[in-house]
Amino acid sequence: NAGVIQTPRHKVTGKGQEATLWCEPISGHSAVFWYRQTIVQGLEFLTYFRNQAPIDDSGMPKERFSAQMPNQSHSTLKIQSTQPQDSAVYLCASSPSDTEVFFGKGTRLTVV
Amino acid sequence: SQWGEENLQALSIQEGEDVTMNCSYKTYTTVVHWYRQDSGRGPALIILIRSNEREKRSGRLRATLDTSSQSSSLSITAAQCEDTAVYFCATRAASSSFSKLVFGQGTSLSVVP
Repeated sequence: NAGVIQTPRHKVTGKGQEATLWCEPISGHSAVFWYRQTIVQGLEFLTYFRNQAPIDDSGMPKERFSAQMPNQSHSTLKIQSTQPQDSAVYLCASSPSDTEVFFGKGTRLTVV
Repeated sequence: SQWGEENLQALSIQEGEDVTMNCSYKTYTTVVHWYRQDSGRGPALIILIRSNEREKRSGRLRATLDTSSQSSSLSITAAQCEDTAVYFCATRAASSSFSKLVFGQGTSLSVVP
């Protein structure tokens, strides 16, 4: 079990460019979560899927952020027209039930 | 915010000392998760305590939950250098299962020799 896999681990984009972050959840886990982590804001919930269906996207900035889960084995978080304030560590997590949530190592996004 | 008193704190203690981290929450919950995050890694669950368990132990860790005061604590006995990490408490945003986990701001613990 390799755990939750996130790629790339680091990404640098220019202001205004698009960034796509990938997540492979643990096989068999029905829930997939995306969080954003910064020093100032801490761990912020973005969105989550259950059995591939979007359940709660209340944390997603509405205009430039989107997330998809086209199949059980991966989810993507896309940020259009990236801005410096989008710089953060983006964490994907999966869960088999309502107890433990397993996190990946994160993708550090830097917008220059 | 779901969390009341817990802001990002920084604690530095010496090896062998005991330490307690606290958090309080505003939304009713029956389960509190405690996660630790090591540098460069995602958070990992270290202990989960339910409302019918006023206290739970796991090795040198001890968690408490007081639903009447809506507070939880995590204690580490005889801290070791490898306990250096950021510790978060978290609860589900709603009573239904699979709702999002909401995290406190965390406590950055440094254990020095």
